[in-house]
Amino acid sequence: DSGVTQTPKHLITATGQRVTLRCSPRSGDLSVYWYQQSLDQGLQFLIQYYNGEERAKGNILERFSAQQFPDLHSELNLSSLELGDSALYFCASSPGQGRGEQFFGPGTRLTVL
Amino acid sequence: LAKTTQPISMDSYEGQEVNITCSHNNIATNDYITWYQQFPSQGPRFIIQGYKTKVTNEVASLFIPADRKSSTLSLPRVSLSDTAVYYCLVGDRNAGNNRKLIWGLGTSLAVNP
Repeated sequence: DSGVTQTPKHLITATGQRVTLRCSPRSGDLSVYWYQQSLDQGLQFLIQYYNGEERAKGNILERFSAQQFPDLHSELNLSSLELGDSALYFCASSPGQGRGEQFFGPGTRLTVL
Repeated sequence: LAKTTQPISMDSYEGQEVNITCSHNNIATNDYITWYQQFPSQGPRFIIQGYKTKVTNEVASLFIPADRKSSTLSLPRVSLSDTAVYYCLVGDRNAGNNRKLIWGLGTSLAVNP
């Protein structure tokens, strides 16, 4: 158990819908990272937040947005969903802004029908 | 922007030593090299991190030559439970603004009885 929690574990929705994925980092970690992993694909970095502020941005689509709240939990919002958005979405946390070691949550499996 | 290249897959047998090499020709002066392990449908797990020469912990060793353009993860005496995907990642330990984390497809290691 990494100490990072993600909800929900599974999510099934239809195209065009909007969903919100939630992540709680390890106690004391200030950075939260979001990743997307499609079937048989590597991890795609989406975005990083550090202590409430956006820190780094990856290949995140304009239909996707994220934020980190004062209690340090984070939410990833996915809107106008397409079939291709079906994937595992991982959240990770780390103590600092850019340390190599990240602690990953169990992931949320999103299925868009 | 640092990019890594690893073999797509490797096969081994229980009890053997496995070495996975990663190329990172354009690694920056302040980049660190980090390796993660991922089992199916789970988040990646940190294995080891290094900057130069050799680093060893309880599960693996990391060898980095002087030019730092490659690195080798060494797993001693693998077991069936080491069957997983292994990712090599390079990145700035003191991340600058808008830093992207590039993971790639990783190396799928299959350990046979």
